[in-house]
Amino acid sequence: AQSVAQPEDQVNVAEGNPLTVKCTYSVSGNPYLFWYVQYPNRGLQFLLKYITGDNLVKGSYGFEAEFNKSQTSFHLKKPSALVSDSALYFCAVRDRNSGGYQKVTFGTGTKLQVIP
Amino acid sequence: GAGVSQTPSNKVTEKGKYVELRCDPISGHTALYWYRQSLGQGPEFLIYFQGTGAADDSGLPNDRFFAVRPEGSVSTLKIQRTERGDSAVYLCASSAQGANTEAFFGQGTRLTVV
Repeated sequence: AQSVAQPEDQVNVAEGNPLTVKCTYSVSGNPYLFWYVQYPNRGLQFLLKYITGDNLVKGSYGFEAEFNKSQTSFHLKKPSALVSDSALYFCAVRDRNSGGYQKVTFGTGTKLQVIP
Repeated sequence: GAGVSQTPSNKVTEKGKYVELRCDPISGHTALYWYRQSLGQGPEFLIYFQGTGAADDSGLPNDRFFAVRPEGSVSTLKIQRTERGDSAVYLCASSAQGANTEAFFGQGTRLTVV
């Protein structure tokens, strides 16, 4: 079985400061990892994904995430937060060795609040 | 269309009634997913289609829920004898073939059972 944990329900950060949203995962094989963002009353928007190669992945809106296999983590980061980054962030995982089966499992989400 | 389209955007129904929720995926996407999201929660997997067939329906909560994708494109999620606990946002997503591809989500259908 695959699972994702987002240990923080909410993260508060001052505008201009760096931000980190944490995610850890569990899969039986190797993972594909994803981050999505959800603004109020909107669907989920894809931010970035880790497939293979460089452990630091860059995505939309200046976000990046670092894959750490030994810690089974995929934390989302941004060097300088904007008020407009305030939203709900979801980490997701798919088992690479799923034999073509593509179920994606999502975490419970972390609310990011950027304070002006 | 350019993205995943879900209709209706909002649906209010009385307890015990039957509802259908429609999803029109991105053209050419073979994989289609239904998720359910309750307030303050992450998306909960319901069912996954690869083409016309349901590859995994293990997330459907009970036999009141059923989904079809007869021509491998549009999908309909059907809920019989709705209950107040079915109230949630139902999300549809589609992706291209391949486990490394990201899913693209629709705006969701907010279902309220009164």
